[in-house]
Amino acid sequence: GNSVTQMEGPVTLSEEAFLTINCTYTATGYPSLFWYVQYPGEGLQLLLKATKADDKGSNKGFEATYRKETTSFHLEKGSVQVSDSAVYFCALSADNNDMRFGAGTRLTVKP
Amino acid sequence: GAVVSQHPSWVICKSGTSVKIECRSLDFQATTMFWYRQFPKQSLMLMATSNEGSKATYEQGVEKDKFLINHASLTLSTLTVTSAHPEDSSFYICSARDSWGLPGNTIYFGEGSWLTVV
Repeated sequence: GNSVTQMEGPVTLSEEAFLTINCTYTATGYPSLFWYVQYPGEGLQLLLKATKADDKGSNKGFEATYRKETTSFHLEKGSVQVSDSAVYFCALSADNNDMRFGAGTRLTVKP
Repeated sequence: GAVVSQHPSWVICKSGTSVKIECRSLDFQATTMFWYRQFPKQSLMLMATSNEGSKATYEQGVEKDKFLINHASLTLSTLTVTSAHPEDSSFYICSARDSWGLPGNTIYFGEGSWLTVV
């Protein structure tokens, strides 16, 4: 079945450090890929998405490229801020449209 | 943009009682909504797919008689936790997809509902 494997945290970085959170997927068909962010006590917010191979999603300085050859959708940001501290979920949505999530990666950015 | 609203955001109920959580799509129609459960510091687990006008499709291991789902209109799905017990305490999140959206369109999430059973 469809699944997402995500680098588990927690990840602790200093402000302005480079961030990478790895995500790989297994799916039949041609899934769409997403990154969601969850701040403490809140629901999910869509961070970025990509709907086909080689697409790059970007938002708020975060980027992820849909790599079909490596079945990956790694999240990157060149310079993290304290306000980026949250839990990040990689997810995919395949033909049946329900969302499958990775385990989540907790990011803490220290000043 | 599209908005999905959940109500209540927080609910505390006594063990043995039932509690209903609503999920509404505010500015679009959703023939399909999804209910997730999230335990502390864990990922979201799909509980069931709610289909407007028909029975919900439950994931393996989810008790359909305990978690009643009703999707009576194109903008409202409800999750009722029946005879709640402390182990049902969790964060419940719904999501909805625009009925007219093409595959790959974003699925929008509600803010989530914290349930505490005492």
